[in-house]
Amino acid sequence: AQKVTQAQTEISVVEKEDVTLDCVYETRDTTYYLFWYKQPPSGELVFLIRRNSFDEQNEISGRYSWNFQKSTSSFNFTITASQVVDSAVYFCALFSGAGSYQLTFGKGTKLSVIP
Amino acid sequence: NAGVTQTPKFRVLKTGQSMTLLCAQDMNHEYMYWYRQDPGMGLRLIHYSVGEGTTAKGEVPDGYNVSRLKKQNFLLGLESAAPSQTSVYFCATTSDGYTGELFFGEGSRLTVL
Repeated sequence: AQKVTQAQTEISVVEKEDVTLDCVYETRDTTYYLFWYKQPPSGELVFLIRRNSFDEQNEISGRYSWNFQKSTSSFNFTITASQVVDSAVYFCALFSGAGSYQLTFGKGTKLSVIP
Repeated sequence: NAGVTQTPKFRVLKTGQSMTLLCAQDMNHEYMYWYRQDPGMGLRLIHYSVGEGTTAKGEVPDGYNVSRLKKQNFLLGLESAAPSQTSVYFCATTSDGYTGELFFGEGSRLTVL
């Protein structure tokens, strides 16, 4: 069975602060894929990143960065110098198990960036 | 450039009524999914399809049926709606059912009274 845990239900930060969203996953497979999606207040789901289990390199995209650590089964997401437009619900998700074709989502973390 | 289109966007039903949600994609993707989103629960998979004519159950399939008669369409049916099915429903598609990025529709908000 696979599982994704986002322990932080809601986070509030003041604009320009850095914030890290935690994601811990469980899977018995050696090959799997991890994702982050953003859901702004408008409701659509926006893909942010995909990372496979064989690539533990951290990734940076502008103010966004991701830290993948297999040793702790974590795939954390950091926003540097947060902005009001970052306010959204962020979902971590896991694809694992050849033939399962199912993406399992965490329950999401609601981030509020206060001006 | 529609991508993934869900119809209808909003619907109010009475308990026991039936309805069908339509997901249409113009991306020629094989894999299609129906998720429901409830407060504090994230997205949970209802049913999915790995190709035309195929369907499979996800995490929360009870009370729903699906059909994929055409590659571009994935229908989600509620035969006898219940208040517990009040939710926001998202359709998603991908070209690669194992590694691929999911492309989501805008969501359909269903209220069952």
